[in-house]
Amino acid sequence: DAGVIQSPRHEVTEMGQEVTLRCKPISGHNSLFWYRQTMMRGLELLIYFNNNVPIDDSGMPEDRFSAKMPNASFSTLKIQPSEPRDSAVYFCASSSGGGGFNQPQHFGDGTRLSIL
Amino acid sequence: AQSVTQLGSHVSVSEGALVLLRCNYSSSVPPYLFWYVQYPNQGLQLLLKYTTGATLVKGINGFEAEFKKSETSFHLTKPSAHMSDAAEYFCAVTGREDDKIIFGKGTRLHILP
Repeated sequence: DAGVIQSPRHEVTEMGQEVTLRCKPISGHNSLFWYRQTMMRGLELLIYFNNNVPIDDSGMPEDRFSAKMPNASFSTLKIQPSEPRDSAVYFCASSSGGGGFNQPQHFGDGTRLSIL
Repeated sequence: AQSVTQLGSHVSVSEGALVLLRCNYSSSVPPYLFWYVQYPNQGLQLLLKYTTGATLVKGINGFEAEFKKSETSFHLTKPSAHMSDAAEYFCAVTGREDDKIIFGKGTRLHILP
């Protein structure tokens, strides 16, 4: 079975540019999560969706960050404009069940983002 | 609210030795507890989880963890380390369905030949 698929795996771009990260959750999963991982701050939850609806975006660091889930099989995380401090590994995860966090999450392999 | 503390950002054990990775949590409600493993350049994978019932939980790859409410701990163990166990391990806690999951800072496990 296909797991969570993220693209691109690596992204290098100059500050000020728009960055779009993509995620395809596991088919049948109704919850989707975006995380950011850095050495300094560890793994941080940015936003999560249940049944394509954003439930909590309080972890989104600034208005430069936005996320959408237009359908059950696709989500994007956009940064516009990007800044060097946005450099991190961004993970998408999905889970089944009634929403929330008490079901195991399945993670993609991440997008390593470098903003020069 | 929940929190997680993982003692030791790096742990080294010899191949064949006991692995013990420590996790302490705080939670105002009965917790759900998880251990995840992250191999280089990959996402996190679930090792095991505790929800209710039996306090000794067995996971994949020979790992197990014991929920000790009196000690607010959920330490991860494996009787005999293998080179392939070298990875970073994350403990996580959540509570009621609408509580966010909180991940620990992670412990990097090194296996010495």
